[in-house]
Amino acid sequence: DVKVTQSSRYLVKRTGEKVFLECVQDMDHENMFWYRQDPGLGLRLIYFSYDVKMKEKGDIPEGYSVSREKKERFSLILESASTNQTSMYLCASSLLTSNPNEKLLFGSGTQLSVL
Amino acid sequence: LAKTTQPISMDSYEGQEVNITCSHNNIATNDYITWYQQFPSQGPRFIIQGYKTKVTNEVASLFIPADRKSSTLSLPRVSLSDTAVYYCLRSNYQLIWGAGTKLIIKP
Repeated sequence: DVKVTQSSRYLVKRTGEKVFLECVQDMDHENMFWYRQDPGLGLRLIYFSYDVKMKEKGDIPEGYSVSREKKERFSLILESASTNQTSMYLCASSLLTSNPNEKLLFGSGTQLSVL
Repeated sequence: LAKTTQPISMDSYEGQEVNITCSHNNIATNDYITWYQQFPSQGPRFIIQGYKTKVTNEVASLFIPADRKSSTLSLPRVSLSDTAVYYCLRSNYQLIWGAGTKLIIKP
């Protein structure tokens, strides 16, 4: 089965820690996305990448950075975790940059708690 | 400001047809409408996509009127396992998500 894999299902970190969330897709997709999901707010785009080493800010990039050194892997980095970054983080990928209507394939999510 | 608006919650009963409507003001010519389903502890998964008129697959139907200012996801004969959150997404080169509709199916 093709899939998007997020390295951790649950993560607990302390305020001020540097946090890495990893996402891997095995479908040779060009696009990869990081969303956070909070009750009542739906999905909000943090960053996306349409190619290796390329990244674009989404709607809420503050406090986050990303890395895409290889096509299959897209990492989300919280430079100094804060309690307001406690959330569910979802990674997604889609096939072609040239087709903006490609369906997204999501990972199962990482529930991050920052204490 | 482009928005995608859908009801916060709905409930229905097994065997009924459920319709969830999404409003998308200022929809652009090239925007498509896509619906996703999300179960607890899982990421959203694709259900159906359309541009205008009606699209049907093995899971659902999607109705988009001529003015394209709204869309309706139709789930025929729902079961308890259809209890989930349903998201409406309008997409072009920008992805604009609705906040999700929590659908609860009762026996």
